Amino acid sequence: KNQVEQSPQSLIILEGKNCTLQCNYTVSPFSNLRWYKQDTGRGPVSLTIMTFSENTKSNGRYTATLDADTKQSSLHITASQLSDSASYICVVNYGQNFVFGPGTRLSVLP
Amino acid sequence: DTGVSQNPRHKITKRGQNVTFRCDPISEHNRLYWYRQTLGQGPEFLTYFQNEAQLEKSRLLSDRFSAERPKGSFSTLEIQRTEQGDSAMYLCASSPPWSPTYEQYFGPGTRLTVT
Repeated sequence: KNQVEQSPQSLIILEGKNCTLQCNYTVSPFSNLRWYKQDTGRGPVSLTIMTFSENTKSNGRYTATLDADTKQSSLHITASQLSDSASYICVVNYGQNFVFGPGTRLSVLP
Repeated sequence: DTGVSQNPRHKITKRGQNVTFRCDPISEHNRLYWYRQTLGQGPEFLTYFQNEAQLEKSRLLSDRFSAERPKGSFSTLEIQRTEQGDSAMYLCASSPPWSPTYEQYFGPGTRLTVT
């Protein structure tokens, strides 16, 4: 069964600290992996996208890694800001099909 | 604003009533997706259009759900005889034909509450 799992389910950190979110998937065949940021009550917004051959991709303070052999990805957030408080969703697609993870709820406190 | 728009943003309805949501995709985006998202979960795929053709429907899309995209532009999602379990955020996303990775751009969603 094609599945995407994320951990932790929720995370609380202090402003300025770094954090890492995890994504494990069993989707096959794999096309690419995306990380989305979803603010409360809003639609998801794409942060990064990685294909099979890419190991890392950065977008400002966000850095995503991909290990296609172990089917794991991580999203590292550096120097967190209050505005980083959101849900972060890992999405794996194969062809035109998308499998969404449940998300990690991040809260950044002052 | 040239992003994906959805209307209404919020809808409260009584059980048994019918509701219809509208999605206006980004201009020239030929692919359009509907998702349902419950609290604390990721979006679940409902259905997908390429132009006006509905190419895929999830098993989640029961007989009470119907979606249309009559002219290949905006789309509507109708839920008949709503149930409390239909309470969720309904998200629409569109994707351009020139994106080899099927990049999706999401709308703000319609929050449905069935009382």
